[in-house]
Amino acid sequence: AQTVTQSQPEMSVQEAETVTLSCTYDTSENNYYLFWYKQPPSRQMILVIRQEAYKQQNATENRFSVNFQKAAKSFSLKISDSQLGDTAMYFCAFRGYGQNFVFGPGTRLSVLP
Amino acid sequence: DAGVIQSPRHEVTEMGQEVTLRCKPISGHNSLFWYRQTMMRGLELLIYFNNNVPIDDSGMPEDRFSAKMPNASFSTLKIQPSEPRDSAVYFCASSSVNYGYTFGSGTRLTVV
Repeated sequence: AQTVTQSQPEMSVQEAETVTLSCTYDTSENNYYLFWYKQPPSRQMILVIRQEAYKQQNATENRFSVNFQKAAKSFSLKISDSQLGDTAMYFCAFRGYGQNFVFGPGTRLSVLP
Repeated sequence: DAGVIQSPRHEVTEMGQEVTLRCKPISGHNSLFWYRQTMMRGLELLIYFNNNVPIDDSGMPEDRFSAKMPNASFSTLKIQPSEPRDSAVYFCASSSVNYGYTFGSGTRLTVV
């Protein structure tokens, strides 16, 4: 069975600085998808970024980028120029081909003014 | 597109009462998922449907929980009878094959 690990329960960063959230996963599959979701205090789950395992190029969405290391089964999220609105829980998720999601336990990020 | 629509947004009920949570997925999405989120357990998958058919309900905690999807545009999650330990935020999500989930806003259930 697939598992997703987020080893940092909580993190903080100063506004305008850069922060990296870590995620590792375990799978025997070759084709899969990885995601980062954000859950602000409003509790809405928001898709931040998506990566297909067959793509070598790291996904980027504005200030959000990933470092995908397939051999190491690592999928970290980098947030550049952190903003107060980035304060949220961040969940890493894995989806095997044709399967449902496996979520990590989450990292609580606080952006400090 | 209005996204995944859940109702009610908040529900407070007394122990022993029946509770029904509702979800309207995004049109064209063929998979629908019900999750429960608590501080202690995080996000737990309760059940999911593909093309309106329940595929995996192993996450449903007990017989008090049931879910239906009578058509592609509507699903319900029912708890009967409800208990205080059922208090949580319940999310519905839908997706196309192999793409990301789109979550609803969730229903915060409080059983007193």
